[in-house]
Parts: sequence; C-alpha cells; structure tokens
Amino acid sequence: SAVISQKPSRDICQRGTSLTIQCQVDSQVTMMFWYRQQPGQSLTLIATANQGSEATYESGFVIDKFPISRPNLTFSTLTVSNMSPEDSSIYLCSVETSRDTQYFGPGTRLTVL
Amino acid sequence: ELKVEQNPLFLSMQEGKNYTIYCNYSTTSDRLYWYRQDPGKSLESLFVLLSNGAVKQEGRLMASLDTKARLSTLHITAAVHDLSATYFCAGAPAGTYKYIFGTGTRLKVLA
Repeated sequence: SAVISQKPSRDICQRGTSLTIQCQVDSQVTMMFWYRQQPGQSLTLIATANQGSEATYESGFVIDKFPISRPNLTFSTLTVSNMSPEDSSIYLCSVETSRDTQYFGPGTRLTVL
Repeated sequence: ELKVEQNPLFLSMQEGKNYTIYCNYSTTSDRLYWYRQDPGKSLESLFVLLSNGAVKQEGRLMASLDTKARLSTLHITAAVHDLSATYFCAGAPAGTYKYIFGTGTRLKVLA
C-alpha cells in the first residue's frame, strides 16, 4: 500500500479566491489522480497527473479552473481557482501502485462561502 | 463510456442478517473494485477483482465478479454494527487506469 497525506485537511474560503491542495506520497508512483466528492455523492475523476507531462482532464473539468502540478514522483498539487459555492466538496488524491489498486489520501474538505 | 450503478442506495439491516449489494456496469471493465468509506473519512480498499468468476472474502464480506453479466456483488454475512459505512464499487475502462465509481450504498446496521 501507499501512505498518502494531503494538506490542508479542510478550509473555508471566500468566493473568487483560489486554494492549492497538496498531495504527498511516501513512495515514488507514476500515476496520481485527483477526484472530487460533492456532499453525499460519489467520486468523480477530475484529472490524471503523470510526472513530466501535462495532466489529462476528464470531461467537464478544465485546466484553467483546476490547474495541476506534478513536479516529481511523490508530490502533486491541485488548485481550485476562482472558487464559487458549487466548488464546495471533498477533494481526494489517489495513487496507482504496482498492486493494481488505487489508494486514496485522507481528502481535503473545502467550503466556499 | 463505462457507467457503474449500484443498488440499493440505502440499506438498513438488523445485526446478524445477510444481505447483498449489487454493482452493474455498462461496458467492458478490466477490473472491479470495492471500497469502504466511513463518515468524514477517506476510502479504504476492500477488494480487487481481476477476472471472471473471481471471489474474494475478508471477514463477513465476500465479493464476486461475473464479467459476462457485467455484475459484481458484495455479500454481507451476519452483519455487525461495525460494518455501517458507505460502500462503493468502481470499474476501470479497458486499457485505462481511470476509475468510474458507482453511486455508493449507504449501509446502516442496527443493533
């Protein structure tokens, strides 16, 4: 398995501001993923982040709104830009390991006022 | 495009009873996963099912996969209160690492 940490664990932000969420893994992984879980809902994949290449975004998510960095094999950031109340969600990063399973971080609970 | 559906969405059951959660998916999926999520917590991996007929068991939970029927089941035997959580299944479209999650089943086991 992989040990994944996220910062911050939660935040309350004002409309129109941006928040950068950090994801740190205890081992080198090729593939990292960012998901959104809206209140009481399932998980939706935002993008796949591979080191050394641009992130690949899913339908409905764009780079201007959710810029992602992946500077090395153990770290990634997701920025939620120009936030609105509709962005209030839990944001989770995950990693794919050689054991063919994705392991999830603890999540960042974002509330936008 | 892979779609994953679970039923039921909500399940309230008595301790000691058995029940099954169903996960249907729409197109070929390389793999099928089951996760558990406790309130306010992240997801915990329960099972990875990689081939038709795969069956895995851990404690009171048993998961199976029928790729021909595009169906996975999570069977709960003699439920206990500690199993109360939301359970998600997820599939991965063939040749990708993307997970498509089901709607989740919110399980409440009553003492």
